Amino acid sequence: AQSVAQPEDQVNVAEGNPLTVKCTYSVSGNPYLFWYVQYPNRGLQFLLKYITGDNLVKGSYGFEAEFNKSQTSFHLKKPSALVSDSALYFCARRGGSQGNLIFGKGTKLSVKP
Amino acid sequence: AAGVIQSPRHLIKEKRETATLKCYPIPRHDTVYWYQQGPGQDPQFLISFYEKMQSDKGSIPDRFSAQQFSDYHSELNMSSLELGDSALYFCASSLEREAPPVFGPGTRLTVL
Repeated sequence: AQSVAQPEDQVNVAEGNPLTVKCTYSVSGNPYLFWYVQYPNRGLQFLLKYITGDNLVKGSYGFEAEFNKSQTSFHLKKPSALVSDSALYFCARRGGSQGNLIFGKGTKLSVKP
Repeated sequence: AAGVIQSPRHLIKEKRETATLKCYPIPRHDTVYWYQQGPGQDPQFLISFYEKMQSDKGSIPDRFSAQQFSDYHSELNMSSLELGDSALYFCASSLEREAPPVFGPGTRLTVL
């Protein structure tokens, strides 16, 4: 069973509006959480991570995410979406002895002009 | 900055053939991971190596094997290929367990 869940298969946002891509986790202890973005036929690009410390994490391309322990969530946000943000977004957690990533099912973000 | 290199980028094979995918991690990265991403799917962890020793094993079929060599490059060997093996295969590398893995561009394998 996935230990990170992305409840939305697709998110549609108008350019300039704020966007949120949701992720919840079900890991006991301190989760190591990540967001990656994948453009069509491309590899996965790291956006940001939460290990410990501040619950608000700032990442690449103006993205940020808030770690919420009480709600076991790690939602990805951006104040103003760009058409070029349209891509597939994966939430992931660390697993295994060497920290392989376990991914959620992914959320397709579509930003319309 | 150097990135993870994968070769070939595209590979077409027939059923029951074998395939070898290669990965060259970022210099000084000590851990290599292999992932398989089927069409419309999330990446599934196959296997990882830490300092050239196998460290974790995921959903890797028995028909697949992998190793990491003295120069740290890694190869994923796939035998008796099946149609369902058609996927994107990603290699990733990292330095330290907490560091986010850096992914290569992937090898697209098509089995006909």
